[in-house]
Amino acid sequence: DAKTTQPTSMDCAEGRAANLPCNHSTISGNEYVYWYRQIHSQGPQYIIHGLKNNETNEMASLIITEDRKSSTLILPHATLRDTAVYYCIVRVVYNNNDMRFGAGTRLTVKP
Amino acid sequence: GAGVSQSPSNKVTEKGKDVELRCDPISGHTALYWYRQSLGQGLEFLIYFQGNSAPDKSGLPSDRFSAERTGGSVSTLTIQRTQQEDSAVYLCASSYQGGSGTQYFGPGTRLLVL
Repeated sequence: DAKTTQPTSMDCAEGRAANLPCNHSTISGNEYVYWYRQIHSQGPQYIIHGLKNNETNEMASLIITEDRKSSTLILPHATLRDTAVYYCIVRVVYNNNDMRFGAGTRLTVKP
Repeated sequence: GAGVSQSPSNKVTEKGKDVELRCDPISGHTALYWYRQSLGQGLEFLIYFQGNSAPDKSGLPSDRFSAERTGGSVSTLTIQRTQQEDSAVYLCASSYQGGSGTQYFGPGTRLLVL
């Protein structure tokens, strides 16, 4: 599975969009981009995933660059409850092996 | 539907005792994973079950750790002769074989070895 690089931490004002970047320059054609988050003292929560097209669900949007070497998770209207560590993971399609979580980005939403 | 559940939510034990941690995966999910997370650290893979195949035990840190999955559903992670360094949050996840492999995590069991 390809390695990912994320900023260590970010701040965002409540009500604003939070844009979390992730670099995955060695991604292969059969690897998905997954995003999870972990709120303090809870298990990781699945957010969204995509292969090459942009994706949107009730939680977030995922923008993947055309060359697929980077992506951005967008929380359109961040709330205080979105404060968490956000993990970007790339993983082979249909691979049921373990998820390799890196250090992630600690997002702090401020009032 | 119900998510992944784990029990107990918290466990305090004395060094040298054995502990059993339980995971109930999402119904219909054939793959089940155990991870652990030490304070302030990332997730460490422990073991993976997929259907009736032999489990992938490559992440188990020592032979004091073992896991089984009965009837392809519930799993138990057993730690024998616990040590203080075993203190961590033990997380279980499940996924549906044949899908994109999205894993859904339980709330974890917080183990403290005194």
